[in-house]
This record gives sequence, structure tokens and C-alpha cells, in this order.
Amino acid sequence: GNSVTQMEGPVTLSEEAFLTINCTYTATGYPSLFWYVQYPGEGLQLLLKATKADDKGSNKGFEATYRKETTSFHLEKGSVQVSDSAVYFCALRSSGSARQLTFGSGTQLTVLP
Amino acid sequence: ETGVTQTPRHLVMGMTNKKSLKCEQHLGHNAMYWYKQSAKKPLELMFVYSLEERVENNSVPSRFSPECPNSSHLFLHLHTLQPEDSALYLCASSQDAVLGKSDTQYFGPGTRLTVL
Repeated sequence: GNSVTQMEGPVTLSEEAFLTINCTYTATGYPSLFWYVQYPGEGLQLLLKATKADDKGSNKGFEATYRKETTSFHLEKGSVQVSDSAVYFCALRSSGSARQLTFGSGTQLTVLP
Repeated sequence: ETGVTQTPRHLVMGMTNKKSLKCEQHLGHNAMYWYKQSAKKPLELMFVYSLEERVENNSVPSRFSPECPNSSHLFLHLHTLQPEDSALYLCASSQDAVLGKSDTQYFGPGTRLTVL
């Protein structure tokens, strides 16, 4: 079956530090990959996505590249801000289960001023 | 503004109560979803509706009963819940194309449910 594995948190960084949150997946076929962000007290918001190998999703300074050879979709940001503090979820949608998203367990990020 | 609203935002209920959660999407989508988010666990898909018909039900207990009267509204009726049902319940919507290939899902803010 499909699965998503994220690096365990919590992750605590100082403002302007470099961020990497690792995500690897197992899926049949050619999945679409997503990063969602959940700010305190809110629902999930789509941060970025990639639908095929070597695609790079980007938004708000965050980037992730779909690496089929390593089955990874790591999230990166060059300089984090306090306002980036949130929980980040990696997710996939496989071609065989068109409506179902499989989520990772989430990574809590705290950015200190 | 996500375009998906949920009410109430917080709900406390006893095990013998009956309550309903409401979700409304303003995005013109034709598919809607209920997810459960428990502490320390990945999000769990509960129900999927496409064009107002239930298309997936991931082995959810019968004490949870969904209803989708039209493409903009989705309800989750709750009765005789257990304390372990306490969680954040998230609604989402997407544009579900003819061949069953859904576009990006957009989430509401969730209802925080506490069962006493």
C-alpha cells in the first residue's frame, strides 16, 4: 500500500536558518506529491505540489523537488521566519486511488526570533 | 480565506448526545471529504462524496453518518460517540474530474470535537 514517511519533529530553528524537512514515500505508479501546512488552530493549507518526476513545487520561499529515483520530496526553505512556525504534512495521491490522499504524520516546526 | 468553512469550530458533547458538523465549500467543487485528525496520528480519510454520491467509506463506525445534500454542503452526524472519537474533524473539497482523477484538495479550519 501507499505510505509517507516524514522526519520526526519537533524541529526548532532560529530565524533566518535553513530548513529541510525530509519526506519519502512508497506508492505504485506515478503519484502526485504535496506539502500542506497547518498553522495553530487552523486547517490544512496547500503549500506546494508536484505531479511528475523532476518537477519542483515552490511557494512562499519553500521548495520541494519530486525525486523518483530516491522516492523523496524533501521540503526546503533558505531562510525561515517566525511566521513559518506550523506543522508541515507531506502527502501523496497515487494514480490508483485518485481521490485518496495519504499523509505523513506531520513535522512540527518552531522558529525562534 | 480557504473557501471551505466549517461549523462549529469547537464542540463538546456527551456520549449520549446527537450532534452534527457542517461543512460548506464556496469553490464550485464537486467532491467533498471528511478527515479525522487525532493527536500523534496521520490524517485519516473517513468519507468521500463525488457529485453528491458517497464513493468511498474507509471502514468508519456507524456512529458517524455523513450526508451530502448538494455539492456545496457536507454534514457529519454524530451519535453515541466514545471518548476516543475526540479529535479535529476536517472537511475538504476538490474538483473531481470525469475519470475519477481529483485535483488538489482544499481544507476547512476543522471542528475540534471533545467527547466526555
